Amino acid sequence: DAGVTQSPTHLIKTRGQQVTLRCSPISGHKSVSWYQQVLGQGPQFIFQYYEKEERGRGNFPDRFSARQFPNYSSELNVNALLLGDSALYLCASSLEPYYGYTFGSGTRLTVV
Amino acid sequence: QQQVKQSPQSLIVQKGGISIINCAYENTAFDYFPWYQQFPGKGPALLIAIRPDVSEKKEGRFTISFNKSAKQFSLHIMDSQPGDSATYFCAAIMDGATNKLIFGTGTLLAVQP
Repeated sequence: DAGVTQSPTHLIKTRGQQVTLRCSPISGHKSVSWYQQVLGQGPQFIFQYYEKEERGRGNFPDRFSARQFPNYSSELNVNALLLGDSALYLCASSLEPYYGYTFGSGTRLTVV
Repeated sequence: QQQVKQSPQSLIVQKGGISIINCAYENTAFDYFPWYQQFPGKGPALLIAIRPDVSEKKEGRFTISFNKSAKQFSLHIMDSQPGDSATYFCAAIMDGATNKLIFGTGTLLAVQP
């Protein structure tokens, strides 16, 4: 079985630009969560979606938005990029929220 | 109250030794405590997890010890191997509207051959 798939794997953007990151969950998983991992730190929760509805949002500015599609894949959008947005963005899927999260390998975003 | 404190920040262990990583929490609403292993360039992978009604859980060389009264839990890696060299994160989660993982700050483990 394919695991959680994230694309692209690496991305370089300029300050002020917008970026869209994509995530395909494990087949059958209906919950998708997004985390930001700054180098040397633990992942920080950004969003959780379950059955296409937002279940939770972390302490991130409105520049961050996400959505989940009918096939349960998800996109994370970040507008007006700042240097501080440089991080590894991780997507995790599970059958339903709470436990059993499987993480993808992430998208490494560098803002210059 | 939403934090999980993890120590040490880094750890060097000889092959065959025991690696011990400690975590502490404040929020008694947390009711599930997973440990994740992360290799460079990869996402975290679930290693082992425990609920607070259990004091110890063992899976192979990995053991979680849980002290509910002290609000502390730890990961023990027995017979540590060079392939165990990675960053380890403890985490906590509470059942509710948003079941988000609260991660510790991570421990970089190096197992020397």
